[in-house]
Amino acid sequence: KNQVEQSPQSLIILEGKNCTLQCNYTVSPFSNLRWYKQDTGRGPVSLTIMTFSENTKSNGRYTATLDADTKQSSLHITASQLSDSASYICVVSGGNAGNMLTFGGGTRLMVKP
Amino acid sequence: KAGVTQTPRYLIKTRGQQVTLSCSPISGHRSVSWYQQTPGQGLQFLFEYFSETQRNKGNFPGRFSGRQFSNSRSEMNVSTLELGDSALYLCASCRSETGSHEQYFGPGTRLTVT
Repeated sequence: KNQVEQSPQSLIILEGKNCTLQCNYTVSPFSNLRWYKQDTGRGPVSLTIMTFSENTKSNGRYTATLDADTKQSSLHITASQLSDSASYICVVSGGNAGNMLTFGGGTRLMVKP
Repeated sequence: KAGVTQTPRYLIKTRGQQVTLSCSPISGHRSVSWYQQTPGQGLQFLFEYFSETQRNKGNFPGRFSGRQFSNSRSEMNVSTLELGDSALYLCASCRSETGSHEQYFGPGTRLTVT
């Protein structure tokens, strides 16, 4: 069964600190992996999308890594800001039924001053 | 380029009623997907349309239906509303195949069923 597991479920950090969110998946065959940021009550916004051959991708203070061998990805946030408070969702495309999207449950990040 | 738009943004209905939500994708995008998001739950896939055809469907009852028009705009309908249908309904558009290309989400329609 295709699954995407994210950890931790929630995280509280102080402004200015770094943090790393984890995503493990069992989706096979694999097509690509995406990270989204979702502010409360709004639609998700894409941060990165990585294919099999990409190990690292950055978008400003956000850096995503992908290890296709271990089926793990991480999202590292550097020098966190209050506006980083949101849910971060890992989504994997692939599976035997074509390029279906499998969503993780998300990590709820709160950045405190 | 304008983003994905959804109307209405907020809606209050009573049990038993039916509701229609609308989504206008980014110009040139042919794929539209719908998702339900409830408090504490992740995004639950409802269905995906591509060139007016339903390509994939999630595990939701038949009360949930949708369609896509020739201009790629899509509507989603929920009949015989239940309290549990209260959720944020998100629409996302994609240039072509959702799994291969980046999705762009709309702001969502917040549906409250009383």
